[in-house]
Amino acid sequence: GESVGLHLPTLSVQEGDNSIINCAYSNSASDYFIWYKQESGKGPQFIIDIRSNMDKRQGQRVTVLLNKTVKHLSLQIAATQPGDSAVYFCAWDSGYSTLTFGKGTMLLVSP
Amino acid sequence: DGGITQSPKYLFRKEGQNVTLSCEQNLNHDAMYWYRQDPGQGLRLIYYSQIVNDFQKGDIAEGYSVSREKKESFPLTVTSAQKNPTAFYLCASSSNQGVWTEAFFGQGTRLTVV
Repeated sequence: GESVGLHLPTLSVQEGDNSIINCAYSNSASDYFIWYKQESGKGPQFIIDIRSNMDKRQGQRVTVLLNKTVKHLSLQIAATQPGDSAVYFCAWDSGYSTLTFGKGTMLLVSP
Repeated sequence: DGGITQSPKYLFRKEGQNVTLSCEQNLNHDAMYWYRQDPGQGLRLIYYSQIVNDFQKGDIAEGYSVSREKKESFPLTVTSAQKNPTAFYLCASSSNQGVWTEAFFGQGTRLTVV
């Protein structure tokens, strides 16, 4: 399939490891943050979201952490599996009813 | 099944031609968006629409046009004025009822200029 990003930061992990993907956002007034997973040649899929009144939210095998002081968002994936290999994007509300996306991180999981 | 559908999946355009990318959603969402994706640059907003018969320019609207005649449909036209149209185009929709919720994406259209 087509690559969605030829020059993206890449995180390589072994199957079973925990993965942490980081994101710096630019809008200190943002109230809503979201992580998407994008597989090659496909549209982004929702993983987890968090609002600015929270600093942590957990889903199934995923946790999002929000640090508003330093405008930093992270996605933690527990027990990473080969099927988790994809490009991960963070996004945040941009103040005019749209989402702004970060550049993305490619996660490569080795069996 | 509810969802958002983009067509075609692959599209080839000759220099100087206009082409239109289709986006249809049956999620009853008010808001629809078009993003462009280039390698290493994430997603950039082209146009968005919060309601039927209204739309706004995004960050890279030059060379593109849209219409929103129906709630379900938000077609994007890539005009000959777009100098570098080869990219992956993604359409999204969200309910956007005053509180943010996730945007749902289509599977994309890959446009190539030949």
